[in-house]
Amino acid sequence: DARVTQTPRHKVTEMGQEVTMRCQPILGHNTVFWYRQTMMQGLELLAYFRNRAPLDDSGMPKDRFSAEMPDATLATLKIQPSEPRDSAVYFCASGLAFRSKDLTYEQYFGPGTRLTVT
Amino acid sequence: TQLLEQSPQFLSIQEGENLTVYCNSSSVFSSLQWYRQEPGEGPVLLVTVVTGGEVKKLKRLTFQFGDARKDSSLHITAAQPGDTGLYLCAGALDTDKLIFGTGTRLQVFP
Repeated sequence: DARVTQTPRHKVTEMGQEVTMRCQPILGHNTVFWYRQTMMQGLELLAYFRNRAPLDDSGMPKDRFSAEMPDATLATLKIQPSEPRDSAVYFCASGLAFRSKDLTYEQYFGPGTRLTVT
Repeated sequence: TQLLEQSPQFLSIQEGENLTVYCNSSSVFSSLQWYRQEPGEGPVLLVTVVTGGEVKKLKRLTFQFGDARKDSSLHITAAQPGDTGLYLCAGALDTDKLIFGTGTRLQVFP
């Protein structure tokens, strides 16, 4: 049963600390997304990668957030320094985009990392 | 800017009742997806609709895409407690980026 895994599941940290969230996409998927979910804003796209290359990070605060894919099995989202307003659930999702530019492919979401910044 | 508005925001009903959730936008989408999210989990895809006017059925769930591809509805017949969750619509704006709706939180009581 292939699943997207995320670690840690929960993280509590103090303002100013660095936070790193990790995601293992489903093997064979070529597209990885990072989302943030809050009660006020709902589910927002932060960034996404295709074949490990960043395609769009316009949803991400550039001054403190960074996203990378060191290899095909690992995606990371880093916040430095963290702020209380970053408290949210962060989801990673992966999918397989076909060469025919099928835009309706399914995104498989991980269980999320619940981040609390005090 | 929130492009997809869902209504109602909250819905509490008894088992066996029918319900409809609406997803509306002023934007035209190339496709629209519906997801269900349970507490502590990520959203799970229920269906993708692509063609204006398309209707898809998944057991007791019926999904419709508006003719102009700006809106969609989800109808559940004879709701069950297992249908409880957060329902999210998501529109694709001619890229593989999804714009998620505001969500409808459904509670079905036995």
